[in-house]
Amino acid sequence: GAGVSQSPSNKVTEKGKDVELRCDPISGHTALYWYRQSLGQGLEFLIYFQGNSAPDKSGLPSDRFSAERTGGSVSTLTIQRTQQEDSAVYLCASSVLTQSETQYFGPGTRLLVL
Amino acid sequence: GESVGLHLPTLSVQEGDNSIINCAYSNSASDYFIWYKQESGKGPQFIIDIRSNMDKRQGQRVTVLLNKTVKHLSLQIAATQPGDSAVYFCAENHPGNQFYFGTGTSLTVIP
Repeated sequence: GAGVSQSPSNKVTEKGKDVELRCDPISGHTALYWYRQSLGQGLEFLIYFQGNSAPDKSGLPSDRFSAERTGGSVSTLTIQRTQQEDSAVYLCASSVLTQSETQYFGPGTRLLVL
Repeated sequence: GESVGLHLPTLSVQEGDNSIINCAYSNSASDYFIWYKQESGKGPQFIIDIRSNMDKRQGQRVTVLLNKTVKHLSLQIAATQPGDSAVYFCAENHPGNQFYFGTGTSLTVIP
């Protein structure tokens, strides 16, 4: 079946511009996660959506970062006024119900801020 | 070896040999562990998982060993192939909490 998909696969932007990254989770998965992966680094947790509950935003690095999940499916991660240090791979994952289950990852969006 | 705090950056093995990738975890309450494989330019791919009520689990060419006494996890790959070249992450979880991921071990298979 279809896995997690993300778009765009690559994004180059100028410092100060806003970007939106999209994630389509596996159909039927109620939990969705965003992570950031910098070159040679592990996965940095950003945000977690579980069903209709309030999202866990504890990993968002600044108020320039926000995320939405509409209709319990597609999610958008928005970075406002991008900075060069925002350059990274942004990974989305989903799991069936909760954060204590296997997470399945999308291919990521590679963001480069010039 | 790799840990959810430290990592062994690289491992090189000859094609056909067995590979062992290690991971140390710090939280004794963690009860679920996953190994992921990440190829260049791709997202992490689930390989195998294990729960804390087990100490060994086998998949196709892969085995995960869990030693709860010393909080150590390992991934064994039998007859390593060039297609196994990738970064391997371990992840730990304890109930009600998010996963914590190691920084990864880069496996290079020498033909």
